[in-house]
Amino acid sequence: GAVVSQHPSRVICKSGTSVKIECRSLDFQATTMFWYRQFPKQSLMLMATSNEGSKATYEQGVEKDKFLINHASLTLSTLTVTSAHPEDSSFYICSAVDWTYSNQPQHFGDGTRLSIL
Amino acid sequence: SQQGEEDPQALSIQEGENATMNCSYKTSINNLQWYRQNSGRGLVHLILIRSNEREKHSGRLRVTLDTSKKSSSLLITASRAADTASYFCATVNAGGTSYGKLTFGQGTILTVHP
Repeated sequence: GAVVSQHPSRVICKSGTSVKIECRSLDFQATTMFWYRQFPKQSLMLMATSNEGSKATYEQGVEKDKFLINHASLTLSTLTVTSAHPEDSSFYICSAVDWTYSNQPQHFGDGTRLSIL
Repeated sequence: SQQGEEDPQALSIQEGENATMNCSYKTSINNLQWYRQNSGRGLVHLILIRSNEREKHSGRLRVTLDTSKKSSSLLITASRAADTASYFCATVNAGGTSYGKLTFGQGTILTVHP
């Protein structure tokens, strides 16, 4: 099946640090990638939709200057949490999909546990 | 925003029993998908069922879709301890600006005791 690699799996850093998370589709070209945030024991909340070569579309309430998304190629999207603070601590998950074909499932990375001290 | 409502929120069964999880949604959909999430991990896609389909099988999994009631169910037969995980339904809306995006339900935590 389709494989999505997300790196790093865990980050612990000081408040004020910027953190970059990478999401790679390893065996298919992802026309679109998504970034989600998940709080403990809760469901996934979509943060933004990223299409290769264009600006990301952010969901309402998500600060685009805080969560910078770059989708430079069909296999790589990055999420940078700028000047992270303790309230940004969460589980971040990316997914990728190839919409060349209709009705395709999203393929998820294994997530990144971000802890801001 | 979360469209789906899932029940039960938590389900505890013995190995070998069947597990049924239900999902309801509010808007017209293009398809509905079920995902599984082991603790601290990403999501694994289980089954996608299109809006014009009523039932789909994959191994020990059976998914039904009733678009008139805007509901779906996931049945896991002959459960195993390894099936212990959270299960989410997610819908893709039919058209509009949210086309293609997944809207997740709150999830069902399934615990299968050996």
